[in-house]
Amino acid sequence: EVQLVESGGGLVQPGRSLRLSCAASGFTFDDYAMYWVRQVPGKGLEWVSGISWNSGRIAYADSVKGRFTISRDNAKKSLYLQMSSLRAEDTAFYYCAKDNDYDILTGPFDSWGQGTLVTVSS
Amino acid sequence: QLVLTQSPSASASLGASVKLTCTLSSGHSSYAIAWHQQQPEKGPRYLMKVNSDGSHNKGDGIPDRFSGSSSGAERYLTISSLQSEDEADYYCQTWGTGIEVFGGGTKLTVL
Repeated sequence: EVQLVESGGGLVQPGRSLRLSCAASGFTFDDYAMYWVRQVPGKGLEWVSGISWNSGRIAYADSVKGRFTISRDNAKKSLYLQMSSLRAEDTAFYYCAKDNDYDILTGPFDSWGQGTLVTVSS
Repeated sequence: QLVLTQSPSASASLGASVKLTCTLSSGHSSYAIAWHQQQPEKGPRYLMKVNSDGSHNKGDGIPDRFSGSSSGAERYLTISSLQSEDEADYYCQTWGTGIEVFGGGTKLTVL
């Protein structure tokens, strides 16, 4: 069974940094592209970033480009999101999601984690 | 610009059927989409991919009550024999050059 478990969320001040992690199990992690998606409480889903199986292709939403960095460690079966220069509007649940393909932007997300809440506030 | 449009809400009675719609923006009618379900206080769950020809591929464990279809730029999710646990938000998703896109979601109420 595919499992994606996010961690690292919490309360952080505007302008500061935070690193999210996603631990994967139940599938061959390095065969698939991975993503981060966020959701402001009570609102819809917003794609944040994606990374291909070997980190060769990476993409970001315009709203986070230049501030967030996605990475992965296939040996540790883990996905990361380094968030810097955080703003109040970055407050959201952050979900880790798995592609059904090795490359990004080619197909649907076929598994999701339960999310971790990031709150940006002074 | 690649945009997905969904009605904000829908409702249907227990045991009945409902058809949710996701509309692709002009010039993107050949795109496939995916449907995801999000029950209250939970992470999303992948339901299926729906192609432009109406064929669909469901995720693991998705009941036969869920099906997908297409017509032009519209992609549909039909849920038959509605159950109380089907009350949830439903999002469509597609992918394009450099981006992934979600629709605004449809909140389904089971009466």
